[in-house]
Amino acid sequence: GENVEQHPSTLSVQEGDSAVIKCTYSDSASNYFPWYKQELGKRPQLIIDIRSNVGEKKDQRIAVTLNKTAKHFSLHITETQPEDSAVYFCAASNNFNKFYFGSGTKLNVKP
Amino acid sequence: EAGVTQSPTHLIKTRGQQVTLRCSPISGHTSVYWYQQALGLGLQFLLWYDEGEERNRGNFPPRFSGRQFPNYSSELNVNALELEDSALYLCASSPGAGLEQYFGPGTRLTVT
Repeated sequence: GENVEQHPSTLSVQEGDSAVIKCTYSDSASNYFPWYKQELGKRPQLIIDIRSNVGEKKDQRIAVTLNKTAKHFSLHITETQPEDSAVYFCAASNNFNKFYFGSGTKLNVKP
Repeated sequence: EAGVTQSPTHLIKTRGQQVTLRCSPISGHTSVYWYQQALGLGLQFLLWYDEGEERNRGNFPPRFSGRQFPNYSSELNVNALELEDSALYLCASSPGAGLEQYFGPGTRLTVT
């Protein structure tokens, strides 16, 4: 089955800096890669996703890149703000059959 | 548009008991996914229902089961509760297979 690894487990950045979170996956058949943000005590919220036929996707300060050959994808947050502080999860799915989640990255943006 | 709802919000059960958790998807969504999130850990896929059928399940024992009703709401049943079943149980709905999912607020289950 699929195995998704996520790094780092914690990330601390200064407000205004960029943050990068990386995930690797094992199943080459995986073709959908969403990212979720989970604030303390709240539900995970989809922030961006990418499908395997695209190499990069951007939405304002957030971008995701996908390298199918190397089987890794990354979340990039630019100009970080304190409200970006949360736990971020990556996931991989094969035709939405099963979703495999990474272990999460706790991002702390220091003002 | 109302989001995904789950009930109850919190639940305390004793080891060996049975529990039923409920999920109402966003109106128009036909797919429901169930996940277990143990404290401080990631999400583990439990079950996927679409159009009333169980489409797939994760690596959980058979005492974890569920169903989806004609109105697309869903129940998750856990029999013979064990201490390690203590977790946040999240459901997510999707407009259909192959589309993004939206999470409910979760049910916090504590097994003592």
